[in-house]
Amino acid sequence: GDSVTQMEGPVTLSEEAFLTINCTYTATGYPSLFWYVQYPGEGLQLLLKATKADDKGSNKGFEATYRKETTSFHLEKGSVQVSDSAVYFCALSDNAGNMLTFGGGTRLMVKP
Amino acid sequence: EAGVAQSPRYKIIEKRQSVAFWCNPISGHATLYWYQQILGQGPKLLIQFQNNGVVDDSQLPKDRFSAERLKGVDSTLKIQPAKLEDSAVYLCASSGPGLAGESPNTGELFFGEGSRLTVL
Repeated sequence: GDSVTQMEGPVTLSEEAFLTINCTYTATGYPSLFWYVQYPGEGLQLLLKATKADDKGSNKGFEATYRKETTSFHLEKGSVQVSDSAVYFCALSDNAGNMLTFGGGTRLMVKP
Repeated sequence: EAGVAQSPRYKIIEKRQSVAFWCNPISGHATLYWYQQILGQGPKLLIQFQNNGVVDDSQLPKDRFSAERLKGVDSTLKIQPAKLEDSAVYLCASSGPGLAGESPNTGELFFGEGSRLTVL
């Protein structure tokens, strides 16, 4: 079945550092790919998405590119802020049933 | 537009007791999901409804878990009897299109804040 693997955390960075959170997937067909974020005390919310190969999703300074050849969707941000501290989940959808399959999550902690 | 509502936010029970969670999705969203999120893990789908019909319940432990969405709007998830390993956050999510006429669903799910269950 479909699966998502992302790097384990926690990831601890200083403010303004560069962020990369790796995500790879296994799926049949052509899934859509997502990054969801869970801020402390809040529900999961969509951060960005890409629906086909070579698409780049971006939001709030975060970016991720759908790489079919490497089955990856790594999340990047050039300069993190303390307010980016959260748990980040990579996920895929088979488009047909729209069910999301999630990775295990990566906790990011940004220190001032 | 109101988001996905869930209750209760927190529940503590002893093993072998029963518990029920309620979810009200975003108005007009046809698809409703229940996910289980164990501490330190990603959410795992328990059941997916399309209107009032079940689309996927392959990962629902049917000997103790049940869910319904009788009128195709709100939904309840019940656990009876609860086990220690059921301690988790139960997330409800919905997907559109909704009444506002936004774009057809592209896989984005809208999540509630979750119901945290502790089984002692």
